[in-house]
Amino acid sequence: DVKVTQSSRYLVKRTGEKVFLECVQDMDHENMFWYRQDPGLGLRLIYFSYDVKMKEKGDIPEGYSVSREKKERFSLILESASTNQTSMYLCASSFQSSTDTQYFGPGTRLTVL
Amino acid sequence: SQQGEEDPQALSIQEGENATMNCSYKTSINNLQWYRQNSGRGLVHLILIRSNEREKHSGRLRVTLDTSKKSSSLLITASRAADTASYFCATDASSASKIIFGSGTRLSIRP
Repeated sequence: DVKVTQSSRYLVKRTGEKVFLECVQDMDHENMFWYRQDPGLGLRLIYFSYDVKMKEKGDIPEGYSVSREKKERFSLILESASTNQTSMYLCASSFQSSTDTQYFGPGTRLTVL
Repeated sequence: SQQGEEDPQALSIQEGENATMNCSYKTSINNLQWYRQNSGRGLVHLILIRSNEREKHSGRLRVTLDTSKKSSSLLITASRAADTASYFCATDASSASKIIFGSGTRLSIRP
């Protein structure tokens, strides 16, 4: 079974803090994704990565950056957290194509105060 | 943007009944996927149907795809309490490098 893990289930940070969300997958998948999920807005893609050190902007990249130094690990960085970044963050991975079946982590519920 | 729109937004049925939810999209696709999300958790892939397929089954799930109407339906037969969740369709445009999720249908199964 594919396993995607996220570093925290719940996180509370203060405005202006730098926040790191980490995601690890154990199935040698090429592609990894970060989404945020807000009520009524569904899942919105922030960034995805199709290879180590490679990344592409999704629909809402503003205020976020990402890092993929190793194939199994994809980090989402909030350089200076703001209250409007309070959300559920979901990481996912897919095998070869970025449109293949995606396997999701359990999510991190981030609250920025 | 090309996005799947689920209908209805919310659905409440009695245990044992069938649940049907629909997804409409705007442009040509290669495939359409359905996912389930239990409250506060990540999404779980249920089924993928390709653009050249019209129907697919997996256990109590039946998915249909009508490319002429740009729509898909997910039928869950003999519903159970454990089916209570949100259900999302996800589509990829023929020329796109990503899939786009709809906003989901919240399904509640009453005991």
